[in-house]
Amino acid sequence: AQSVAQPEDQVNVAEGNPLTVKCTYSVSGNPYLFWYVQYPNRGLQFLLKYITGDNLVKGSYGFEAEFNKSQTSFHLKKPSALVSDSALYFCAVRDHNNAGNMLTFGGGTRLMVKP
Amino acid sequence: GAGVSQSPSNKVTEKGKDVELRCDPISGHTALYWYRQSLGQGLEFLIYFQGNSAPDKSGLPSDRFSAERTGGSVSTLTIQRTQQEDSAVYLCASSPAPPSGPPGIYNEQFFGPGTRLTVL
Repeated sequence: AQSVAQPEDQVNVAEGNPLTVKCTYSVSGNPYLFWYVQYPNRGLQFLLKYITGDNLVKGSYGFEAEFNKSQTSFHLKKPSALVSDSALYFCAVRDHNNAGNMLTFGGGTRLMVKP
Repeated sequence: GAGVSQSPSNKVTEKGKDVELRCDPISGHTALYWYRQSLGQGLEFLIYFQGNSAPDKSGLPSDRFSAERTGGSVSTLTIQRTQQEDSAVYLCASSPAPPSGPPGIYNEQFFGPGTRLTVL
C-alpha cells in the first residue's frame, strides 16, 4: 500500500521569507511524486512532479521540491513567499507498481503567508 | 483550451434522495478519476475509468455509490439514498494517456472545480 504524510496542518510564514511544506511517503516500488495547490472554492492545480532524474524539481509559481530517497521525503519549497501563495497544499504519490494508478494524497497543509 | 468541468457546482439535497454529479473531462483524456474531499480531510479516491471501463472501483464507500462513463468522455457519479455523511466536495480529474506503463503513469491529473454536496 502507498501512503503520504504531511505532518503540519498549517505553516505560517512572513512574506519574503523562505517556506517549506513537508511531505513524506511510503511505497513499495519507485515513487512518482506530485504537489498540488488548492485555492478557496477551486479545484486542485498541479504544481510539479518528480518522476526520475534530478532530485530538485522546479515547478509553477517559483515553487520547487526536493526528492530525498533515503528520507522518503518530497518537501515543497519556495525561496521567497508571497501573500498570494496562501492556499492548501497537497502532496501525492503514485506507486509504479499500482495498477490502478490512482494518486494517494496527504491530508493537506494550509500555508498562511502574512504581509 | 477548456479544462475539466463539473456540474452542478453546488447541490443541496435531503437525506434519502438520489443525486447525480457530472464530469466533463478534457477532450482526448482517456483516464478519468473521482475523488471525495470531506471537510477537514484530504482527498479520498473513489473510482478510476480507463475509457468506458472502470478497472478500479476500490474507493467507492458503499453500494449506494456508482459511476459510469459513456463515449470515453462524460462521467456521472450517482449517490443513491444520500446520507449526511455523504456531504463533501466531489472532485473529478482527467489524465491524457492510459495510466498503465510509461508514459501515462507519469502524467499529472487535471482537476475540475468540484461539486459541493450538502445532504440535509
